[in-house]
Amino acid sequence: AQSVTQLGSHVSVSEGALVLLRCNYSSSVPPYLFWYVQYPNQGLQLLLKYTSAATLVKGINGFEAEFKKSETSFHLTKPSAHMSDAAEYFCAVGGNTGFQKLVFGTGTRLLVSP
Amino acid sequence: DAGVTQSPTHLIKTRGQQVTLRCSPKSGHDTVSWYQQALGQGPQFIFQYYEEEERQRGNFPDRFSGHQFPNYSSELNVNALLLGDSALYLCASSLERRENYGYTFGSGTRLTVV
Repeated sequence: AQSVTQLGSHVSVSEGALVLLRCNYSSSVPPYLFWYVQYPNQGLQLLLKYTSAATLVKGINGFEAEFKKSETSFHLTKPSAHMSDAAEYFCAVGGNTGFQKLVFGTGTRLLVSP
Repeated sequence: DAGVTQSPTHLIKTRGQQVTLRCSPKSGHDTVSWYQQALGQGPQFIFQYYEEEERQRGNFPDRFSGHQFPNYSSELNVNALLLGDSALYLCASSLERRENYGYTFGSGTRLTVV
């Protein structure tokens, strides 16, 4: 079975500050890991994904995440927050067995203040 | 290039009624997955369709059923609606033979059961 745990349902930062959103995973097979962003009344947009290549993954909008097997973590970071980054962020895990099914965390709402 | 199209965008139904939600996949995609996102939660996998057959199912009752048509579009049907079925229903399309989870999500259908 696979699962993800997102630490912190809400994270508040000031504009220009570092963004750190935490995700820990559990998987019985080598995982594929994902971060998605959801703006109000919209679907999910892929930020980045880890698929067993480089452990440091760069995504869109300046976000990146590092896969750490020893810590079973895949935390999302951005050096400098923008007001437009305010949204809900979801971490997700999938198996690499060919069948594409994602298990999502409960999400972290990022609040950015001026 | 059109992405994933879902209809309707919003829907209000009464308990006990039946509902049909529709999804047109991204051009070139042949696989459709459905997810339910309850308020304040992450999306949960309902089922996936490929070659007009249900390939795998999440932990949802038989009241939830689906269909995929020869043009790869898909429908999600929910019978005997309960208040707890109120949620955002997300459709995601992908290409079966493409590796690494090339999911594209639609903007969803917001279902409210009263």
